[in-house]
Amino acid sequence: IQLTQSPSFLSASVGDRVTISCRASQGISNYLVWYQQKPGKAPKLLIYAASTLQSGVPSRFSGSGSGTEFTLTISSLQPEDFATYYCQQLNSYPLTFGGGTKVEIK
Amino acid sequence: EVLLVESGGGLVQPGGSLRLSCAASGFTFSSYWINWVRQAPGKGLEWVANINQDGSIKYYVDSVKGRFTISRDNAKNSLYLQMNSLRAEDTAVYYCARGGSYNFDFWGQGTLVTVSS
Repeated sequence: IQLTQSPSFLSASVGDRVTISCRASQGISNYLVWYQQKPGKAPKLLIYAASTLQSGVPSRFSGSGSGTEFTLTISSLQPEDFATYYCQQLNSYPLTFGGGTKVEIK
Repeated sequence: EVLLVESGGGLVQPGGSLRLSCAASGFTFSSYWINWVRQAPGKGLEWVANINQDGSIKYYVDSVKGRFTISRDNAKNSLYLQMNSLRAEDTAVYYCARGGSYNFDFWGQGTLVTVSS
C-alpha cells in the first residue's frame, strides 16, 4: 500500500493552522498513524488509529479520516512543531510510511 | 521508563555482514511485537521487519528478504537483526521500535550502518 503525503514541504508561521494530507493507494480502514521527527532524533508517535491522540501529545494536534484519505491538523503552530511529519499504515504488510512533510518557519 | 538501545552499527564493505542488537528495558519485552525501521541519509522512513512476542512470526520488506533475519531473546530482553549480503542501498540509521497493529509507541535512538568500500 502506497501512502502519498502532501505537501512534501510547508512553510508556515507561528500561530498558523496547518493541514497535512496522507492518501492511501487502497483502503486501510483507520490503521493510520502520524509521527513527528526532528533532525537527528527518532520519530515520536503523535496520533494512532487515525484520530486517537497519544498520551502526552498537545491537543493542538488532531487527526481525521478513514479509508484512503487522512489529515493531520495542527491548530496553532508552535516553535517546537517545526519538524518532519510522517504517516504510516499498519493495515497490511509490508508496513509503509508516507514520504514525509517538512514543516519549516516562514 | 521504556528504553530501547540499539548497537552494532558501523562501516562494512558491500557483500559483508553485520548484526544489530536492540536492548530493551522498562517494560515486559516478551509481551510486544518489535520492529526494525531504517532511514537512509536525508531520506524518509522505511519499515524493515518485525517479530511477534514469542518469535514464531516474522515479516520483512521485500528488499531485505533472504538477506536479513530478525530474531529475539526474551530472556535477555533483546532484539537482533542479522544483515548479510549488504548493499550500498542498505546504508541507513536503523531504529528498533516497539509496537504491533496500532502504532510504534517507543523508538530507540538508532544505530548507523554504512555500506561502502
